[in-house]
Formats: sequence, C-alpha cells, structure tokens
Amino acid sequence: DSGVTQTPKHLITATGQRVTLRCSPRSGDLSVYWYQQSLDQGLQFLIQYYNGEERAKGNILERFSAQQFPDLHSELNLSSLELGDSALYFCASSVGTSRNTYNEQFFGPGTRLTVL
Amino acid sequence: GNSVTQMEGPVTLSEEAFLTINCTYTATGYPSLFWYVQYPGEGLQLLLKATKADDKGSNKGFEATYRKETTSFHLEKGSVQVSDSAVYFCALSPGTSYGKLTFGQGTILTVHP
Repeated sequence: DSGVTQTPKHLITATGQRVTLRCSPRSGDLSVYWYQQSLDQGLQFLIQYYNGEERAKGNILERFSAQQFPDLHSELNLSSLELGDSALYFCASSVGTSRNTYNEQFFGPGTRLTVL
Repeated sequence: GNSVTQMEGPVTLSEEAFLTINCTYTATGYPSLFWYVQYPGEGLQLLLKATKADDKGSNKGFEATYRKETTSFHLEKGSVQVSDSAVYFCALSPGTSYGKLTFGQGTILTVHP
C-alpha cells in the first residue's frame, strides 16, 4: 500500500458526460501528479500540482482540468467524454518539488474509466 | 522532446532464467532514470533508480546501469521468480523539470514455474 488513495476504483459512463476523479496523497506529501494509461498512448503525464498551485502541464486535453485543494487532495475533472478517454488514471504524490531534484513518486491504485 | 523506448514484449521466461529488458532514452541535459513495476490490479512501484551517468540502481535482485554513452538503462536479473511476473516500465525525469516522468511503453513479463 503506497498510502495514496484514489476513488472511485471503477467508473462507467457515457459519451458527452462529465466525471470527477479524486486523489488523496500520502500524509505529508505536497505534490500531486496525474497520469493517464491507455492501450494506444501508454502512460502519459497529464498535470502536476504543488501545495495548491499548478506546477507542470503535460499532454492534458482542454476538456480536462484539475485542482488541488487546501487539504491537499486533488480532483481531475473530465468533461465532454469521448470513447478514446477510456483509460486508467493514476495519481501519484511526492514530498515536495524542486526544479533539479527528483522526489520519489508514490502511485495510487488508479481509477479505471470506461466511456460507452 | 524526451522519450523512452523499451524492447518489444511480452517476455516469457522459465523460473531461474536470466532476464534482460532493454531501455533506451532521448533527453536533453542530465535526466534521472527509473524502472517501475506494476503488478496486476495495482499502481506503479519504484523498483530502482539512477541519477547520474555510470550509477547502478539495484533492488530485489534487479539491476540497471545508467549508460550515457549509449543512452541506455537496461534492466537485468540473474534468476527470475514466478512472483516477478508483472509489467515493467522504464522512465526518465529530466534534470530541469519538477519531477514529471516520461515512461516507456511497458514490457509484460511472465515467469512460468
């Protein structure tokens, strides 16, 4: 158990809908990362937050957004869902963030999103 | 941009066989390199890491050496066990980033008794 929790574990929805994925980082971790794992794109970095502020952005679609709240949990919002958004979404957390230092990332079990 | 390429999979071995999973990377600057493992139904776990050229990361019998001259970070284990069956991901974190990871496509390893 990494200490990172994600809810829900599974989510099935229809095209055009909006969903929210939730992540609680390990106790004491200030940084949260979101990744998408799909069969065709592999594992891709989406976005990172540090202590409530957006720190880095990857290949995140405009239909997707995220935020980190004062209690440090994070939510990933996916809207106008398409079939191609079906994937496993991982959250990871780390102690901090420094431009030239890697802080080990601890991954949650993921949320499997199926868009029908 | 940064990229990681892993050998095509899946890999199927008998118990106690030698394992090599190849990984090469493209990156600017001086990235840190990692191997992550994903067991069925679980999230990724850091297996080992190396932060500079010629460093050797090791854990649970697995090893990988950061080779800057060949831009490689191949994963090896001398004697695999059935419990090593999992998906293995090579990844890098650029030296000038805040830690975001770029992953290879993953290699499925199946070990038979």
